[in-house]
Amino acid sequence: EIVLTQSPGTLSLSPGERATLSCRASQSVSSRYLAWYQQKPGQAPRLLIYGASSRATGIPDRFSGSGSGTDFTLTISRLEPEDFAVYYCQLYGSSPLFTFGPGTKVDIK
Amino acid sequence: EVQLVESGGGLVQPGGSLRLSCAASGFTFSSSWMNWVRQAPGKGLEWVAQIKQDGSELHYVDSLRGRFTISRDNAKNSLYLQMNSLRAEDTAVYYCARGINKSFDIWGQGTMVTIFS
Repeated sequence: EIVLTQSPGTLSLSPGERATLSCRASQSVSSRYLAWYQQKPGQAPRLLIYGASSRATGIPDRFSGSGSGTDFTLTISRLEPEDFAVYYCQLYGSSPLFTFGPGTKVDIK
Repeated sequence: EVQLVESGGGLVQPGGSLRLSCAASGFTFSSSWMNWVRQAPGKGLEWVAQIKQDGSELHYVDSLRGRFTISRDNAKNSLYLQMNSLRAEDTAVYYCARGINKSFDIWGQGTMVTIFS
């Protein structure tokens, strides 16, 4: 079973700052199978990035994804007030078929 | 409007059963892989089950196999999750989600399932 680790657990930043979130897999994976989600309190997750670097429909270009092998990154170039949320990475694999990371909370400094 | 609406959640005692439903609209349900994902209170996301467009393939997280059954009715644009032998650790918000590009692009608002004794 491939395990996803996200760091940091919490990221405290101010609006306008750059956010860099990390997702690390316990073994090398295909970048085609790595996705990122945003979740705000009381809401369902929202797909941001699929295939490690492709933005989902309607996602602003301040969100970008990169990485390969075991290390993947979600970057928010300039934080807007609505970007403060929890972010999850997700992997498509074999067993289980889909795995989520534990999440990174981005809160206001 | 593209939408998924879950229903059927509630309070149930350990050992009981519950059937969740998810009504889809605004997209071609019969052409979509569909999934259930759950989230325990204050915890992260856990994928539960997936069903192929025609129902011919079913996939489950190993820990739930045998207790939960995913199904669909394309004529009704509906997805289901039959949950049996429920345990306290099954307490969670259950989301239905469309699968595409090995990710989940459309989510419902979720339905809360609480197992209490």
